[in-house]
Amino acid sequence: EADIYQTPRYLVIGTGKKITLECSQTMGHDKMYWYQQDPGMELHLIHYSYGVNSTEKGDLSSESTVSRIRTEHFPLTLESARPSHTSQYLCASSQEDTQYFGPGTRLTVL
Amino acid sequence: RKEVEQDPGPFNVPEGATVAFNCTYSNSASQSFFWYRQDCRKEPKLLMSVYSSGNEDGRFTAQLNRASQYISLLIRDSKLSDSATYLCVVSSNQGGKLIFGQGTELSVKP
Repeated sequence: EADIYQTPRYLVIGTGKKITLECSQTMGHDKMYWYQQDPGMELHLIHYSYGVNSTEKGDLSSESTVSRIRTEHFPLTLESARPSHTSQYLCASSQEDTQYFGPGTRLTVL
Repeated sequence: RKEVEQDPGPFNVPEGATVAFNCTYSNSASQSFFWYRQDCRKEPKLLMSVYSSGNEDGRFTAQLNRASQYISLLIRDSKLSDSATYLCVVSSNQGGKLIFGQGTELSVKP
């Protein structure tokens, strides 16, 4: 089993609030990723990082931002949550091509 | 045209049936290929990597045809616990990034 953790697992929050979704991995992987997935729909890459101080936007435009100050930590921040941000957010990490996923954060913005 | 295309589901089969999933990809430069499994409202988990020579893991057999850019997954003697969405995944030519198909849902009935 992969050692990748996400908190919180579930978050219900009001419009306009700032939120940070946490993702940590203990495998020493250089590469980390954030995906967004709506129920029954495809995974969409929104951010990725190839190492410390490296972040890139993914294929799906997102209003969120990320940072990579430590190898093991890749938090995602929404400055002002809106109902359109309601979704599941999945974090993953890899050393080569195989990606391992965390359990996800299910975000609901009211 | 999507970069990775899978059979549209859902597949509804009785226990013990043999099920075959098909997938095509458009990027001839892709080097790594995978099948992931995703249970309802959970994260994707690696089922198996796919090699040019074909590979088998118990009841699961994966095959790759690079010339046709085609990947398959065969499940023999299907179990109730095989019910899930199966994701065909291909590496992009941007190191580390993966491209996920939309998934094919399998429902195994008693």
